[in-house]
Amino acid sequence: GQQVMQIPQYQHVQEGEDFTTYCNSSTTLSNIQWYKQRPGGHPVFLIQLVKSGEVKKQKRLTFQFGEAKKNSSLHITATQTTDVGTYFCAGTYNTDKLIFGTGTRLQVFP
Amino acid sequence: DAGVTQSPTHLIKTRGQHVTLRCSPISGHKSVSWYQQVLGQGPQFIFQYYEKEERGRGNFPDRFSARQFPNYSSELNVNALLLGDSALYLCASSLNGGNQPQHFGDGTRLSIL
Repeated sequence: GQQVMQIPQYQHVQEGEDFTTYCNSSTTLSNIQWYKQRPGGHPVFLIQLVKSGEVKKQKRLTFQFGEAKKNSSLHITATQTTDVGTYFCAGTYNTDKLIFGTGTRLQVFP
Repeated sequence: DAGVTQSPTHLIKTRGQHVTLRCSPISGHKSVSWYQQVLGQGPQFIFQYYEKEERGRGNFPDRFSARQFPNYSSELNVNALLLGDSALYLCASSLNGGNQPQHFGDGTRLSIL
């Protein structure tokens, strides 16, 4: 079946360092969405990418969608303690099913 | 405006019992989706409903069922509960379903003893 894998599973960084999580699908995605889930919270939508090669920025966050629409990345510049949480990518494959990735848990040390 | 609301927030059941979880979408949203999130994993898609019709179903057994009402609220029913059904059940709403961004509720934490 369709699977979306993310690496790394965990990442610990010092505040001010950069962070990147990568998302990979075995088959071509229709679109990719990114969510952030704080400990004890629910997923919160961050962004959606639809076009091949698309790049979007939100302040310190940069999102990319691969040319083949099989991979995506989220890069955070100069992490802050407020960035702590688990980041999930989630993709669709020409259906109404949203398939979540395995997630990357980010811990930021002050 | 209120976000997605789910009830109850916590629930404890025993094996073999039945459970009904409820969800009210954001006002104006016509689509509701249900997800199961086991600790340490990503949400797993269970169902999506739009205008009271099922538009998507994940790889869950027939013990799981759902419906959407004319006011767009939704219920998730799980029969013959198993220990493995212990999880956080998340409801999400969107304007028209499909590929649109999902707005999640706080979830129902279900524990099976």
